[in-house]
Amino acid sequence: GAVVSQHPSWVICKSGTSVKIECRSLDFQATTMFWYRQFPKQSLMLMATSNEGSKATYEQGVEKDKFLINHASLTLSTLTVTSAHPEDSSFYICSAPFPDSYEQYFGPGTRLTVT
Amino acid sequence: AQKITQTQPGMFVQEKEAVTLDCTYDTSDPSYGLFWYKQPSSGEMIFLIYQGSYDQQNATEGRYSLNFQKARKSANLVISASQLGDSAMYFCAMREANTGGFKTIFGAGTRLFVKA
Repeated sequence: GAVVSQHPSWVICKSGTSVKIECRSLDFQATTMFWYRQFPKQSLMLMATSNEGSKATYEQGVEKDKFLINHASLTLSTLTVTSAHPEDSSFYICSAPFPDSYEQYFGPGTRLTVT
Repeated sequence: AQKITQTQPGMFVQEKEAVTLDCTYDTSDPSYGLFWYKQPSSGEMIFLIYQGSYDQQNATEGRYSLNFQKARKSANLVISASQLGDSAMYFCAMREANTGGFKTIFGAGTRLFVKA
């Protein structure tokens, strides 16, 4: 089946630094990808919609200058957490809808810890 | 406004028995899709089953079936013959056509514990 990968799977960084997370669709093209954040024991919260060739669409309350999204190609979207703080520590998951299908595939997630 | 409601934070079921996980939703869009996902402790999201708003029959996928009550706006997941490996977090989700087709929102989730 279709696969979406994320890299890294986990990362620890110091407060004030920036971290980039990659999301790749491995065997299909995705003009749209989604970024979610999940705090422990909570649900997935949609952060933004990543659009290939255009600006990302952010959900209400999500700081676009803090969470930079770049959809560089039809198979790659990146999320950069800038000037990370401990409250940004979370599980970040991306997803990509499969073309002409109701299905979307999720990446395995990236666990970010900011110290 | 809460669009997806899962009222059961945790559920216990005996191995080999059936269990129903509740989900209600709210939408004014006549075209929408309902999903159930399983999230084990590893964190990956595993797609289980899909129900379209215009589908006449309840969706089934192996041991999973979706009890779709459109008038009541409920989409409960039924897992038959529970297995120990079914212990996980389960999320109900909805996608509305008027949001562009792929934007998906999730319920709070239900943690299922299967007892041996």
